[in-house]
Amino acid sequence: QKEVEQDPGPLSVPEGAIVSLNCTYSNSAFQYFMWYRQYSRKGPELLMYTYSSGNKEDGRFTAQVDKSSKYISLFIRDSQPSDSATYLCAMRGSWGAQKLVFGQGTRLTINP
Amino acid sequence: GAVVSQHPSWVICKSGTSVKIECRSLDFQATTMFWYRQFPKQSLMLMATSNEGSKATYEQGVEKDKFLINHASLTLSTLTVTSAHPEDSSFYICSASPGQGTDTQYFGPGTRLTVL
Repeated sequence: QKEVEQDPGPLSVPEGAIVSLNCTYSNSAFQYFMWYRQYSRKGPELLMYTYSSGNKEDGRFTAQVDKSSKYISLFIRDSQPSDSATYLCAMRGSWGAQKLVFGQGTRLTINP
Repeated sequence: GAVVSQHPSWVICKSGTSVKIECRSLDFQATTMFWYRQFPKQSLMLMATSNEGSKATYEQGVEKDKFLINHASLTLSTLTVTSAHPEDSSFYICSASPGQGTDTQYFGPGTRLTVL
């Protein structure tokens, strides 16, 4: 079993839809959770960074962490064609333990 | 701010040759740099972690004699793929962390290596 599981998709939705992306994990030591966006043949770009359980909102993006269920989500509201990319979840243990464990990535397409 | 560059962006080489990839933090000093490998439609796999002035720490299964990492300064790390073979063809991505109160990693744009 992989430490981090993420549905690779592909996921295709119409413009303006709410998108929900999810990851599950097995290591209860993970405390820091991130979402990265990666455009084709580019490096990942940090979108959201959260610590422990709870919600965090930044513009059209909301990250949720449920440590009791070992489940994290990223919601994108009012999705735009420019949001089309691969979204990677990543996580790690205590602060300073810098090794990130990534999910497989979900390929998302927003159709105009 | 927090820009990381990689050079070259893509490289094609013959089997048996060595290839060097550079990773630079342009506007901050990186106490730690990371090298990842990504196969098509797959996630990033950490290859090694390097701290400036120290030997790199390699992940299990990564050959340190094949993938030579040098972190000679706080803004530059290099990955050399020695005696490259077609199975080494992949997308190599570095990231850099400033340390000093933040543990965020900033990623470079990646280098696509094709070994013929």
